[in-house]
Amino acid sequence: GAVVSQHPSWVICKSGTSVKIECRSLDFQATTMFWYRQFPKQSLMLMATSNEGSKATYEQGVEKDKFLINHASLTLSTLTVTSAHPEDSSFYICSARGPGRRTDTQYFGPGTRLTVL
Amino acid sequence: AQTVTQSQPEMSVQEAETVTLSCTYDTSENNYYLFWYKQPPSRQMILVIRQEAYKQQNATENRFSVNFQKAAKSFSLKISDSQLGDTAMYFCAFMKGTGNQFYFGTGTSLTVIP
Repeated sequence: GAVVSQHPSWVICKSGTSVKIECRSLDFQATTMFWYRQFPKQSLMLMATSNEGSKATYEQGVEKDKFLINHASLTLSTLTVTSAHPEDSSFYICSARGPGRRTDTQYFGPGTRLTVL
Repeated sequence: AQTVTQSQPEMSVQEAETVTLSCTYDTSENNYYLFWYKQPPSRQMILVIRQEAYKQQNATENRFSVNFQKAAKSFSLKISDSQLGDTAMYFCAFMKGTGNQFYFGTGTSLTVIP
């Protein structure tokens, strides 16, 4: 089946630093990738949608300058949390869809736990 | 706007018994897809079952089946012969037929009791 990976799976950083999270589609070309944020015992909240080669579309209330998304290739999207603060601590999940796979679904990565001290 | 509602924050079921998780949604679309995802403690989202709105027949996947009532905008998940490995958060999700975005419900935490 389709596989989407995320790296790192867990990261701890100091307040004020930036952290980059990678999302890779391993066996298909992901023309669209999605980034979600999930707080403990809550649902997934869509942060942004990115299409390969174009700027990401951010959901209302998500700071574009704080959460930088780059979808430079058909297999890689990155989320950079800039000047991280403790309130950015959360679980970040990416998903992907693309040709060659069912277009009526999304394939999820295993998530990245971010802890900001 | 699309909304997905799961009214049962927590549920429990005895091993080998049957349990039904509820989901309702609101949309003006006629073409859409509905999903149930499972999120175990590992946090990996796992697709349980998918339903196309244009199909009247309810989807089934082994022990998992849905009761899709399009007019009532209801999409419940039935788990038969519950197993300990079914313990997880279950999310109902909606996707427009012409769109990319998933709309998730708030989730139901299911515990299977040995």
